[in-house]
Amino acid sequence: AQSVTQLDSHVSVSEGTPVLLRCNYSSSYSPSLFWYVQHPNKGLQLLLKYTSAATLVKGINGFEAEFKKSETSFHLTKPSAHMSDAAEYFCVVSDDNDMRFGAGTRLTVKP
Amino acid sequence: DTAVSQTPKYLVTQMGNDKSIKCEQNLGHDTMYWYKQDSKKFLKIMFSYNNKELIINETVPNRFSPKSPDKAHLNLHINSLELGDSAVYFCASSRRGESEQFFGPGTRLTVL
Repeated sequence: AQSVTQLDSHVSVSEGTPVLLRCNYSSSYSPSLFWYVQHPNKGLQLLLKYTSAATLVKGINGFEAEFKKSETSFHLTKPSAHMSDAAEYFCVVSDDNDMRFGAGTRLTVKP
Repeated sequence: DTAVSQTPKYLVTQMGNDKSIKCEQNLGHDTMYWYKQDSKKFLKIMFSYNNKELIINETVPNRFSPKSPDKAHLNLHINSLELGDSAVYFCASSRRGESEQFFGPGTRLTVL
C-alpha cells in the first residue's frame, strides 16, 4: 500500500525568501509523484510531476522538487516566494491509477 | 476548451434531498474519478471508473452512486443528503496506464 505524509500542515515565509514544503512517501513500487496547488476557492492545478526520469523536476511558477529514493522524499522548493504563492499544496503518490493525497500544507506568504 | 468540467460549481440544498453533480472530460481519457475534499482540505478517492470496471472506496456510503452515460461523462448521484456530505467534490480523469490525473474545478456542496 502506498501513502504520503506532508510533514508540515502550515508553512509561513516572508516574500522573497525560500520555500520548502516537505513530503515523504511510501510505496511498494516505483511510484509517480506529484505536487498540486489549490488556491482559495479554486480547483487543483498540477505544479510538477516525477515519473522515473530526472530526479530533479522543474515545475511551473519557479517551483521544483527533488526525488530522493534513499530518503523516500519529494520535497517542494522555490528560491524566492511571491505573494501569489499563498495557497494549499498537496503532495501525491500514484501507483497504477491509484492516487493518494497528502493532508496538504498551507503556505502563507508575508509581505 | 476546458479539459475537465463540473456542474454546478456551487450546490446548496436541504438535508434529505437527492442531487447530482455532472462531470465531463474532453481529453479522450479512459478512466474517471470522484474525490471528496473535506473541511480540512484532505482529498479522498471515492470512485474510479473506466468502461469495464467500477472501483468503489469501501468507506463511501451507498447513497453515493456514479453513473456514466458515456466515456466522457461520470456523474455523481447522491441520495438522502446528510449534513456530513457538505464538502468540495472533485472529478478527475486519466489515460489508462498513466498516473497523471487531470482535475475539474470542483463542486462545493453545502447541505443545510
